[in-house]
Amino acid sequence: GDSVTQMEGPVTLSEEACLTINCTYTATGYPSLFWYVQYPGEGLQLLLKATKADDKGSNKGFEATYRKETTSFHLEKGSVQVSDSAVYFCALTPNQAGTALIFGKGTTLSVSS
Amino acid sequence: NAGVTQTPKFQVLKTGQSMTLQCAQDMNHEYMSWYRQDPGMGLRLIHYSVGAGITDQGEVPNGYNVSRSTTEDFPLRLLSAAPSQTSVYFCASSYMDSAPGAQYFGPGTRLTVL
Repeated sequence: GDSVTQMEGPVTLSEEACLTINCTYTATGYPSLFWYVQYPGEGLQLLLKATKADDKGSNKGFEATYRKETTSFHLEKGSVQVSDSAVYFCALTPNQAGTALIFGKGTTLSVSS
Repeated sequence: NAGVTQTPKFQVLKTGQSMTLQCAQDMNHEYMSWYRQDPGMGLRLIHYSVGAGITDQGEVPNGYNVSRSTTEDFPLRLLSAAPSQTSVYFCASSYMDSAPGAQYFGPGTRLTVL
């Protein structure tokens, strides 16, 4: 079945460091891909998305490119801030109406000043 | 807009008790869903609805019931609580043309079953 695999955390960085969180997927057809972020004590928020191969999603300095050849959607940021500390979830929806949003297990990011 | 609201924020139940987790949205979204979040497991879909009167099962539906009598509300019922249902529960919603990928999530309900 369809699945999402994320790098295990926690990821610990200093402020202004570069961030990459790896995400790969297994899916039939052409899924849509998403990154969600969960700040401490809150629900999930959609961070960015991409719906077809080579699309780049971007928001709040974060970027991810839909790479069909490597089935990947890695999350990147050039300079992280303490306020970026959160849990990041990679997710996909198969290209079928009414089906579920399939999540990875999440990667915890901790940024220190 | 209040967005997606959930009540209660915290709940402790004893094994065998029943309860209803409330979820409401004020964005006129057709699609609503319930997820549970467990450590190291990500989020898993329990039930979802594509409109009033229409519900369907997700990945982990056993022990839960839902109904959708209005567009705004989508309550989740635990029929007979078990310790395995200790989890954080999230309700989410979206318009159908962005469902189920781009959803708005509520703040969650942390449930403990003793």
